[in-house]
Amino acid sequence: SQQGEEDPQALSIQEGENATMNCSYKTSINNLQWYRQNSGRGLVHLILIRSNEREKHSGRLRVTLDTSKKSSSLLITASRAADTASYFCATETGRRALTFGSGTRLQVQP
Amino acid sequence: NAGVMQNPRHLVRRRGQEARLRCSPMKGHSHVYWYRQLPEEGLKFMVYLQKENIIDESGMPKERFSAEFPKEGPSILRIQQVVRGDSAAYFCASSPPGLATYNEQFFGPGTRLTVL
Repeated sequence: SQQGEEDPQALSIQEGENATMNCSYKTSINNLQWYRQNSGRGLVHLILIRSNEREKHSGRLRVTLDTSKKSSSLLITASRAADTASYFCATETGRRALTFGSGTRLQVQP
Repeated sequence: NAGVMQNPRHLVRRRGQEARLRCSPMKGHSHVYWYRQLPEEGLKFMVYLQKENIIDESGMPKERFSAEFPKEGPSILRIQQVVRGDSAAYFCASSPPGLATYNEQFFGPGTRLTVL
């Protein structure tokens, strides 16, 4: 698999439920970032977690990072229909260029 | 404080024509990045520039593609003699000066290129 690979590829939940997306990567990183993309639109930055951090929160978002397992997870609590989008993780390895996974497509049913 | 600006938002070209995509970074940002996204895929890095310098072009196809970020004006991604396979969304991002460890990249709305 490529650097920054999300799992699952697609996720469908009911409004109010929690959504968890996972990201695995291969090489050492400086930071890992999560982005949201609505269909046909640009990317919105959600959260950045540095390699020496284990967990970060932002509103309804919770991100964890396990550098020993080279994995990260994004949890969206109390999901809303407006959370429907594709979610991408991206890793930064010191070259500044971000390496993106192929994304998780989240559908929140009202 | 305007975000990253890209224009045009949509661009249609016939095979063999040239495509010019423009990107104005956020105010105060000195690093510009170009990414390409094919349908149903993630973004792929193409090139990283600072003013008047190409820092990393490891993701750029060797032929037909070029990028610049002049002292004055926007960054330009230029695709010569476009082919159907160039059809994609092209995103520009910018970040402020400082260590990459601490700085997220802010993305523009993208230019959707369609090659007929």
